[in-house]
Amino acid sequence: NAGVMQNPRHLVRRRGQEARLRCSPMKGHSHVYWYRQLPEEGLKFMVYLQKENIIDESGMPKERFSAEFPKEGPSILRIQQVVRGDSAAYFCASSPPSGRADTQYFGPGTRLTVL
Amino acid sequence: TQLLEQSPQFLSIQEGENLTVYCNSSSVFSSLQWYRQEPGEGPVLLVTVVTGGEVKKLKRLTFQFGDARKDSSLHITAAQPGDTGLYLCAGEEGGGSEKLVFGKGTKLTVNP
Repeated sequence: NAGVMQNPRHLVRRRGQEARLRCSPMKGHSHVYWYRQLPEEGLKFMVYLQKENIIDESGMPKERFSAEFPKEGPSILRIQQVVRGDSAAYFCASSPPSGRADTQYFGPGTRLTVL
Repeated sequence: TQLLEQSPQFLSIQEGENLTVYCNSSSVFSSLQWYRQEPGEGPVLLVTVVTGGEVKKLKRLTFQFGDARKDSSLHITAAQPGDTGLYLCAGEEGGGSEKLVFGKGTKLTVNP
């Protein structure tokens, strides 16, 4: 019974490039959440998606960041024109169709380094 | 946005000692979770507490939710080196929001 899967685990980009982070939720889970963890900071909520819908993107920066969760395939967090301040660990969590916040299970994260 | 303060920020103890870490807020949460995170990995859910005054035990770990649902504590009895890690508390804001608000964590080191 696979858990939440994220890839790549490590991603290095130069300033101005695009970063694509993928998340496959646990089997049977239809809700996906993205969080960002900056060095010495707690995890910060970014976006909450259900299949083909963005439910809450109140934590997403207004520019350069976008997320999707298509009908088929993994959820994608896309960061365009990356800057050094985007360097962080990005975690995806999933929950079952009930969508309760207290049943979120986290993936291992993608560590993004912007040179 | 509701905030969660965790204390202490760092804790280094010897194997066999007991310890308590705290998670406090001025806001009420509909539920509160404790996670443990190891370096290079994602948070692993330990427990969810929902009812004010609730106490849950997980082997040597005891979790308590404050009566007013604004604070929580984690007590570890006879700590072992395997307990080393970052302990995070997270609260559900409620009101229809599905997002979790996290504290910055307590970094625990248990020395053999």
